[in-house]
Amino acid sequence: GAVVSQHPSWVICKSGTSVKIECRSLDFQATTMFWYRQFPKQSLMLMATSNEGSKATYEQGVEKDKFLINHASLTLSTLTVTSAHPEDSSFYICSAILSGGNQPQHFGDGTRLSIL
Amino acid sequence: GESVGLHLPTLSVQEGDNSIINCAYSNSASDYFIWYKQESGKGPQFIIDIRSNMDKRQGQRVTVLLNKTVKHLSLQIAATQPGDSAVYFCAENDGNDMRFGAGTRLTVKP
Repeated sequence: GAVVSQHPSWVICKSGTSVKIECRSLDFQATTMFWYRQFPKQSLMLMATSNEGSKATYEQGVEKDKFLINHASLTLSTLTVTSAHPEDSSFYICSAILSGGNQPQHFGDGTRLSIL
Repeated sequence: GESVGLHLPTLSVQEGDNSIINCAYSNSASDYFIWYKQESGKGPQFIIDIRSNMDKRQGQRVTVLLNKTVKHLSLQIAATQPGDSAVYFCAENDGNDMRFGAGTRLTVKP
């Protein structure tokens, strides 16, 4: 149980392109989803917390207009990297939890984004 | 500031030996702790968790120990196998935020 699917797993595109990444909870309803960014050999850096039906809460230093998050349903959140540039190249990972409080986050398998 | 960190960035063990991965935390308000395993090119996978009202919890081949006095968390893997090779992250949660440690890379030698 508690499976999170992330799509696509790998994207290569030209600079200036906008890229959408989907995160779905397959067998549970996720009240909250999280988006992380991970650089090679580093830990996960939280970008934003997304609650269904409300605006995402972004971490300090994360540009809201650059990284658009939509959480339209209890099973789907999307992250759009707008006008992506090479410095946006990274591994993006989403996670979801069943409810608030102390629960483990269940992670997707990440999206490798490479901007040329 | 408060942080979660790891004592050892890398750990190499012989197949069949036991592994111990350590984690220090500094947020005294943290009451929930999790260990994740991340294989190359994949997302973190939940291994085991422990709440602050416990000091030990066992799973299949894994044991998590929590010492709240010194704010220390450890993950013990029994009879380490090649498939255990990965990066292991500890995470702490104070009811509001979850923070991840830097990670320890475990390499299992055949």
